[in-house]
Amino acid sequence: AQSVTQLDSHVSVSEGTPVLLRCNYSSSYSPSLFWYVQHPNKGLQLLLKYTSAATLVKGINGFEAEFKKSETSFHLTKPSAHMSDAAEYFCVVSVNNYGQNFVFGPGTRLSVLP
Amino acid sequence: DVKVTQSSRYLVKRTGEKVFLECVQDMDHENMFWYRQDPGLGLRLIYFSYDVKMKEKGDIPEGYSVSREKKERFSLILESASTNQTSMYLCASSGTGLSNQPQHFGDGTRLSIL
Repeated sequence: AQSVTQLDSHVSVSEGTPVLLRCNYSSSYSPSLFWYVQHPNKGLQLLLKYTSAATLVKGINGFEAEFKKSETSFHLTKPSAHMSDAAEYFCVVSVNNYGQNFVFGPGTRLSVLP
Repeated sequence: DVKVTQSSRYLVKRTGEKVFLECVQDMDHENMFWYRQDPGLGLRLIYFSYDVKMKEKGDIPEGYSVSREKKERFSLILESASTNQTSMYLCASSGTGLSNQPQHFGDGTRLSIL
């Protein structure tokens, strides 16, 4: 069975400083991994995805994530936070090629201080 | 870009009413999903559908039913609305393929049952 752990429920950074949102997963098979962002009262927007190609994945809005199989991690980073990055972030794992099986992490709320 | 459209952003209904939430996607995706999102509980899968007229129960199907008569449209039905069904409802779709396809989400429907 798959599971996803997001190690921090809330992360607070100052504008212009780096962002690190941590995600660890458990999977019996080679997973696909995704990061989504959700702004208040909106749906989830795909930031980036890992599907067994390059281990360093670049996404939208300057975010990137590195897949580390030995650590079963897929942490999300951004070099410099912007006020508009304040939102909820979800790490998601999938092992089904039929696009049917997605396991969501509990989410990390990112606050960006001026 | 994939577009998933939910018919209402905000909806207010009364206890005992039959409520329909509609979702339409424009990317010919095989899979469609309904989730509810509540503070502290994350995203919980209600139902998903992998083809027209096909459906599978998710984690919390009680009190809900679904309908998928056309590939692009997936409806969530609250047979007799109750106050504990007040929530944010999110629709998503995904395709199938050789590598895992991400889900694409609508903007959500915030449903209040009075």
